[in-house]
Amino acid sequence: GNSVTQMEGPVTLSEEAFLTINCTYTATGYPSLFWYVQYPGEGLQLLLKATKADDKGSNKGFEATYRKETTSFHLEKGSVQVSDSAVYFCALSSDSNYQLIWGAGTKLIIKP
Amino acid sequence: DTAVSQTPKYLVTQMGNDKSIKCEQNLGHDTMYWYKQDSKKFLKIMFSYNNKELIINETVPNRFSPKSPDKAHLNLHINSLELGDSAVYFCASSQARTRVETQYFGPGTRLLVL
Repeated sequence: GNSVTQMEGPVTLSEEAFLTINCTYTATGYPSLFWYVQYPGEGLQLLLKATKADDKGSNKGFEATYRKETTSFHLEKGSVQVSDSAVYFCALSSDSNYQLIWGAGTKLIIKP
Repeated sequence: DTAVSQTPKYLVTQMGNDKSIKCEQNLGHDTMYWYKQDSKKFLKIMFSYNNKELIINETVPNRFSPKSPDKAHLNLHINSLELGDSAVYFCASSQARTRVETQYFGPGTRLLVL
């Protein structure tokens, strides 16, 4: 079945550091891929998405590229801020099953 | 204007009680969901409705019963609450059921069973 694996957290970085959170997936067909972010005490919100291979999603300085050859959708940001501290979820949705399949979430802590 | 709202935000209750959580979306979406998030932040889909029809009914105890009176509302009733039901429950909605849809989440209901 479809699945999403993302790196375990917490990931702790200093402000202005480069961020990568790894996400790999297993799916049949051509899924859509998503990154959602959950700030402390809030619900999840879409950060970015990509719906076909080689697409790049971007938002708020974050980027992720849909790599079918490596079945990956790694999240990157060039210079993180304290306000980026949150839990980040990778997810996929396929034509065979429209519900989102979620990764376990990665907690990101940015220290000033 | 809140897109997806849930009430109550916090719910503290005793084991064995019955409680309900309400969800409303004003986005005009056709599909609504209930998720459970445990203390390790793991998300589990519980139910999904599309145009008031139940389409996803994951393996959850039958003490949990969803109800969708109309497209904009999806409520969750829980009977005979147990300690293990303590979690954050999120309601979400999406425009339709396709693989490209974004889900919009409510702020969550933090349930603590004592």
